[in-house]
Amino acid sequence: QSAPTQPASVSGSPGQSITISCTGTSSDFGNYDFVSWYQQHPGKAPKLLIFGVNHRPSGVSHRFSGSRSGNTASLTISGLQAEDEADYYCCSYSLGRVFGGGTKVTVL
Amino acid sequence: QVQLVQSGAEVKKPGASVKVSCKASGYSFINNNIDWVRQAAGQGLEWIGWMSPKNGDTGYAQKFRGRATITRDISTSTAYLELNSLTSEDTAIYYCARYSNPVDFDTWGQGTQVTVSS
Repeated sequence: QSAPTQPASVSGSPGQSITISCTGTSSDFGNYDFVSWYQQHPGKAPKLLIFGVNHRPSGVSHRFSGSRSGNTASLTISGLQAEDEADYYCCSYSLGRVFGGGTKVTVL
Repeated sequence: QVQLVQSGAEVKKPGASVKVSCKASGYSFINNNIDWVRQAAGQGLEWIGWMSPKNGDTGYAQKFRGRATITRDISTSTAYLELNSLTSEDTAIYYCARYSNPVDFDTWGQGTQVTVSS
């Protein structure tokens, strides 16, 4: 059970779109459409942004979207805002739950 | 509203055990699994295990098998994580999270700081 790989950091200017990748093995993503994404601001608990690869819970901005192609899941943030500056984690299922290493998003 | 409220910060010596609680409110406790996740300072999220409050079934990450125990008290809608044989590497914030099929972890506790120091 190894952690999916995420880039350590991604940055963008306000209004731009950015994409965070989450790459695993076939055993991480396999036959499961079971990828979720979490946002975490400093000193706060994680917050669910995306579940089931590309579904948003109620209350989450439409600026957040998810997708998956093969063994890589992606989170796209459109219309980047200052409040989006945070850490982002993907989460999948492989003999239990496994989180990616996390990506720090910086708004320039 | 749905809420998970965790117990307060703990300071333990190496080799000791710690038990963290997670009290649920605003929903029927037995209907949703509870998972535990931890985060060391400046590090990422690490999954520890899960529990079904309905029947007490549990599952653990391989790293924590034999050292972590997740239990519950249905009468108080509270889940517990106990971690034994603590070392400095267990110093972290411990979170409980509610699993809602298929929405995943939709509610998180506020986190409990556990510090292991001699």
